[in-house]
Amino acid sequence: DAGVIQSPRHEVTEMGQEVTLRCKPISGHNSLFWYRQTMMRGLELLIYFNNNVPIDDSGMPEDRFSAKMPNASFSTLKIQPSEPRDSAVYFCASSSTLAGESSLSDTQYFGPGTRLTVL
Amino acid sequence: QKEVEQDPGPLSVPEGAIVSLNCTYSNSAFQYFMWYRQYSRKGPELLMYTYSSGNKEDGRFTAQVDKSSKYISLFIRDSQPSDSATYLCAMSLAQAGTALIFGKGTTLSVSS
Repeated sequence: DAGVIQSPRHEVTEMGQEVTLRCKPISGHNSLFWYRQTMMRGLELLIYFNNNVPIDDSGMPEDRFSAKMPNASFSTLKIQPSEPRDSAVYFCASSSTLAGESSLSDTQYFGPGTRLTVL
Repeated sequence: QKEVEQDPGPLSVPEGAIVSLNCTYSNSAFQYFMWYRQYSRKGPELLMYTYSSGNKEDGRFTAQVDKSSKYISLFIRDSQPSDSATYLCAMSLAQAGTALIFGKGTTLSVSS
């Protein structure tokens, strides 16, 4: 399996520009998570989906951030307009959840991340 | 108070040393406890997974959970230079696709 795929790996943009990050989860996984990692705040959950439906978006910092999951194999995280404080590494993770079971089947597998720099 | 506290280090040890990494948490409802390892410029990868209190051993790694003290630990025996990474603790209220709350991570360096 190719694992979680994220693109681009690096993105440098100017303040005010729109940024779109992309994620392809592991085939067969039904949960998808977007995280942001900074030195100051560590790894923070932004939003997660279960069966393509957003379950919790309370971590999305503000209305400039939006996420979609149009199908089971693709998700986007969009920032519009971007600001310098959005500079971070953005990770996507996926897992296969079996409700009611206590097992490693819900292990979250992380992608390599997108390093975003907003100038 | 943050939900999960973890000393960022850095922690430097010689090869062969025993390493102890720790996290404390405030939410007594957490049930699932995990340790992730993150190499530089890579995504985190699951290292250990524990449900509720107790110990779990996997090779050179031992995870301990003390729910009464709201304290979890990861021990690494016979540490190797390849163990040099950032170790993040994570926990959740329930499994099956629920959110993980991460510590900030402890950076470990093992010198040969």
